[in-house]
Amino acid sequence: NAGVTQTPKFQVLKTGQSMTLQCAQDMNHNSMYWYRQDPGMGLRLIYYSASEGTTDKGEVPNGYNVSRLNKREFSLRLESAAPSQTSVYFCASSEVRGPYNSPLHFGNGTRLTVT
Amino acid sequence: AQSVAQPEDQVNVAEGNPLTVKCTYSVSGNPYLFWYVQYPNRGLQFLLKYITGDNLVKGSYGFEAEFNKSQTSFHLKKPSALVSDSALYFCAVRDGIDNFNKFYFGSGTKLNVKP
Repeated sequence: NAGVTQTPKFQVLKTGQSMTLQCAQDMNHNSMYWYRQDPGMGLRLIYYSASEGTTDKGEVPNGYNVSRLNKREFSLRLESAAPSQTSVYFCASSEVRGPYNSPLHFGNGTRLTVT
Repeated sequence: AQSVAQPEDQVNVAEGNPLTVKCTYSVSGNPYLFWYVQYPNRGLQFLLKYITGDNLVKGSYGFEAEFNKSQTSFHLKKPSALVSDSALYFCAVRDGIDNFNKFYFGSGTKLNVKP
């Protein structure tokens, strides 16, 4: 059981380049999330998807787009990378049913450096 | 608005001694609280959660957490620390009213357990 799989693990971009971070989960969870982790700031929510076909903004959505391709996959795209987007990106999933939900399950992260 | 505070950036403890990692929260509605642990170059792993019921919650790896409604705290504890407990610990709260898909994380506390 792989859980949440993220690719790539590492990436270096030049300012202005674009890229897509891929995420897939095999737990049949309905909700998926993208977070970024920066030193001293914890995890901040970029976008989330409560179900297939829906996406919503989190705390820091500017500069990002997402696609919920199907129930398993949720991708994050940087259209024009900026140095401020240098961070570690985590994908997570959860089963949310009304007021009850499973804990978040996280991938191992993508370390992105924008020069 | 929901928020979580972890007042200590770092906690140092000797192996075999009890440890406490502090967390306070602010939430509308019923608090759903979580603790996660992050080892180097890995995603976050779920330790324990509080939803309702007993104020002392037991979790993985011998950890437990004490929920205190009057002090709005959810401190993580372990009676006897191990060197292998050294990691980054995050407290999180789930939105209790507006959006059950939103989780808010603290800034993290680095736990150092010395032999």
